[in-house]
Amino acid sequence: KAGVTQTPRYLIKTRGQQVTLSCSPISGHRSVSWYQQTPGQGLQFLFEYFSETQRNKGNFPGRFSGRQFSNSRSEMNVSTLELGDSALYLCASSLDTGELFFGEGSRLTVL
Amino acid sequence: DAKTTQPNSMESNEEEPVHLPCNHSTISGTDYIHWYRQLPSQGPEYVIHGLTSNVNNRMASLAIAEDRKSSTLILHRATLRDAAVYYCIPQNAGNNRKLIWGLGTSLAVNP
Repeated sequence: KAGVTQTPRYLIKTRGQQVTLSCSPISGHRSVSWYQQTPGQGLQFLFEYFSETQRNKGNFPGRFSGRQFSNSRSEMNVSTLELGDSALYLCASSLDTGELFFGEGSRLTVL
Repeated sequence: DAKTTQPNSMESNEEEPVHLPCNHSTISGTDYIHWYRQLPSQGPEYVIHGLTSNVNNRMASLAIAEDRKSSTLILHRATLRDAAVYYCIPQNAGNNRKLIWGLGTSLAVNP
């Protein structure tokens, strides 16, 4: 059974640009959650999608957005990038409210 | 949301048991206690979870205090592969994706 796949794995952007990250969940999983991980802050919850609807949202500015498609694949977008957005962005999928299965993450560097 | 307190780091020798403590004094009666770990350069992976009773699985055991204000993850025989950051996370059964992860405990295993 294929795991959670995140693309791209690494990317470099400059301030002011935008970025889109993709997450393909485990087949059959309808919930996809996104997290930001930085050395000082640890993992912080961004948002969760279930059956194409945002079900939960963390405390991030509106520059961070996401969506989920009918096949459960999800994307997150960060607009007007800031230096502080440099982080590892992790996606996790689950059946509904159970165990989370994480991808390896997309490492974003903002210059 | 319940907050947790974990030691920043711990050290163990290979083949010895490891007890990783977590304080969660503000946990609510319906919060499950989940443990995840994150190996270097990987996304977190599920370890174990419980509500009130002690739990065992192939990876670890979870001992939950009677008042549920603390728990201990037990690795019965540490291996080098167990070197990781361990996160203790209270998780409400309903709204369980808005998780507060904290910085976890970094476990070093000596050969």
